[in-house]
Amino acid sequence: QKEVEQDPGPLSVPEGAIVSLNCTYSNSAFQYFMWYRQYSRKGPELLMYTYSSGNKEDGRFTAQVDKSSKYISLFIRDSQPSDSATYLCAMIYTGRRALTFGSGTRLQVQP
Amino acid sequence: EADIYQTPRYLVIGTGKKITLECSQTMGHDKMYWYQQDPGMELHLIHYSYGVNSTEKGDLSSESTVSRIRTEHFPLTLESARPSHTSQYLCASSVGASTGELFFGEGSRLTVL
Repeated sequence: QKEVEQDPGPLSVPEGAIVSLNCTYSNSAFQYFMWYRQYSRKGPELLMYTYSSGNKEDGRFTAQVDKSSKYISLFIRDSQPSDSATYLCAMIYTGRRALTFGSGTRLQVQP
Repeated sequence: EADIYQTPRYLVIGTGKKITLECSQTMGHDKMYWYQQDPGMELHLIHYSYGVNSTEKGDLSSESTVSRIRTEHFPLTLESARPSHTSQYLCASSVGASTGELFFGEGSRLTVL
């Protein structure tokens, strides 16, 4: 069983839509939760970073963590064509040597 | 913008050839990583380095080897490439592993014929 599950998509939305991307995980030890964005033929880049449960907002992006449900979300408001990319959730706990990634959700925002 | 560089970006070679994928970072990070990424699949850690002369194999078994004789340089070598090695290889570095803030290179896409 995978530690982190993520719907691969693709998810296609019109410009201006609100997008919701989600991951579930099985290991309750995870403490730090991240969303990485990966454009085609590029490496992933860190988009959002959250410690433990709660919400974090950065411009059009909001990350939510619900540790009781082992569920994390990324919301994108007023989506733009430039948001078209693959979004990878990732998580780690203190003492673990490296991130555990989801398989990524491919998002396409249609102009 | 991250200062981590991978070469070559694309490589097509024949079976049995020896290849080295280069990775360099100018941020002075102690920790460096190699991940393997296949389409629609999660990133799998294949090698990890805590610092100079310190390397470990990752969670995904790999026939590749790595070395870390300088902080900034973390090359990956395949002695005899096979078609099963066809994949995207991503190099990353971080200041502190436990918080998960990784800086990735743009990747090396390897195709073995």
